[in-house]
Amino acid sequence: EAQVTQNPRYLITVTGKKLTVTCSQNMNHEYMSWYRQDPGLGLRQIYYSMNVEVTDKGDVPEGYKVSRKEKRNFPLILESPSPNQTSLYFCASSHSGGAREQYFGPGTRLTVT
Amino acid sequence: EDQVTQSPEALRLQEGESSSLNCSYTVSGLRGLFWYRQDPGKGPEFLFTLYSAGEEKEKERLKATLTKKESFLHITAPKPEDSATYLCAVQARRYGGSQGNLIFGKGTKLSVKP
Repeated sequence: EAQVTQNPRYLITVTGKKLTVTCSQNMNHEYMSWYRQDPGLGLRQIYYSMNVEVTDKGDVPEGYKVSRKEKRNFPLILESPSPNQTSLYFCASSHSGGAREQYFGPGTRLTVT
Repeated sequence: EDQVTQSPEALRLQEGESSSLNCSYTVSGLRGLFWYRQDPGKGPEFLFTLYSAGEEKEKERLKATLTKKESFLHITAPKPEDSATYLCAVQARRYGGSQGNLIFGKGTKLSVKP
């Protein structure tokens, strides 16, 4: 089944404790992206990757890191999480960075206390 | 500044009562406009991509249209299972090699009562 998977689905952590949210897709997509969704603010893009070893900032990259060492994986790293990073996070992928539809993962609900 | 505004924020319909959702956008060169459906606690599900003014796409009870300033998602004879939040997003043309990112509206929450 073609899909985007994220782990963990739920995470509660404390301020400053480094964490990684994994994202993997099995569709051989070149383009991958991370979003956060907050009430009243909608979906906002954090980082995206056009291909392996190619990443770029979205609208809200502060406090996040990403890497793209393999085509199928695009982990999101929070080196020192803060409470304002409490949010619902989605990973997405598409065939290319052009105007092609993006397929979203199931989401990771992160709470930072 | 690129911007997407969706209206209304919430819409309650009776089953069978057709209506339209609006997505107005300001973007420096449209690469594509996307419609997604999102159910509570789930990731957005792709519905349509529109590329140029005058384009229309249909899927079951949904029809998306595009003008130079806005897009409409028409829902004909909706059913309770159409209840969801509908998201609109645009991708702008960018120069210098980097692709434009997706800019989402805040969505319209649709409730269809039997």
